[in-house]
Amino acid sequence: GEDVEQSLFLSVREGDSSVINCTYTDSSSTYLYWYKQEPGAGLQLLTYIFSNMDMKQDQRLTVLLNKKDKHLSLRIADTQTGDSAIYFCSFHGQNFVFGPGTRLSVLP
Amino acid sequence: DVKVTQSSRYLVKRTGEKVFLECVQDMDHENMFWYRQDPGLGLRLIYFSYDVKMKEKGDIPEGYSVSREKKERFSLILESASTNQTSMYLCASSQGSQFNQPQHFGDGTRLSIL
Repeated sequence: GEDVEQSLFLSVREGDSSVINCTYTDSSSTYLYWYKQEPGAGLQLLTYIFSNMDMKQDQRLTVLLNKKDKHLSLRIADTQTGDSAIYFCSFHGQNFVFGPGTRLSVLP
Repeated sequence: DVKVTQSSRYLVKRTGEKVFLECVQDMDHENMFWYRQDPGLGLRLIYFSYDVKMKEKGDIPEGYSVSREKKERFSLILESASTNQTSMYLCASSQGSQFNQPQHFGDGTRLSIL
């Protein structure tokens, strides 16, 4: 099966960049996803990357995929207080695996 | 926009009760999922369904069953609720016959078993 690890907590100052990391043991998934969960809500799709890509940029978000090291990261530029949430990396394919989530706190 | 609606945001039940959690999606998605979310454990898949009347066990199906009589509705049933089933339950749906499409989530049901 797939094991996915994330740091549970991250604190950054408003305006700084945030980097949320995800490591996995194996993945045959075509797509690798990042979801965001705000307080009291379900998960919403934030961005994704195809497994044959190394990088994807989407406005303030940059996703990096290192297949050799089995490492996925999400960078949020110019982090705002509205970015405070829990972020999950996820792999959908033969299995549906979510990481434990990283709680991002943005300090003013 | 896809809307996934869970019937209750909060639910309190007693040990031994039979509990029904309902989920409806409005985008004609083939696949529907039930997860439970616990702090530090992320989301764990309980059951999923890829078609009407079809169901597959996920990682933690013990103590749960599901029903999908109509395409838009997927119900999670706790046959005899126990305190260790106190959790946040999330329903999701996705389209297509392959499971690599993004999932769309409801807002969750926070279930407490006393």
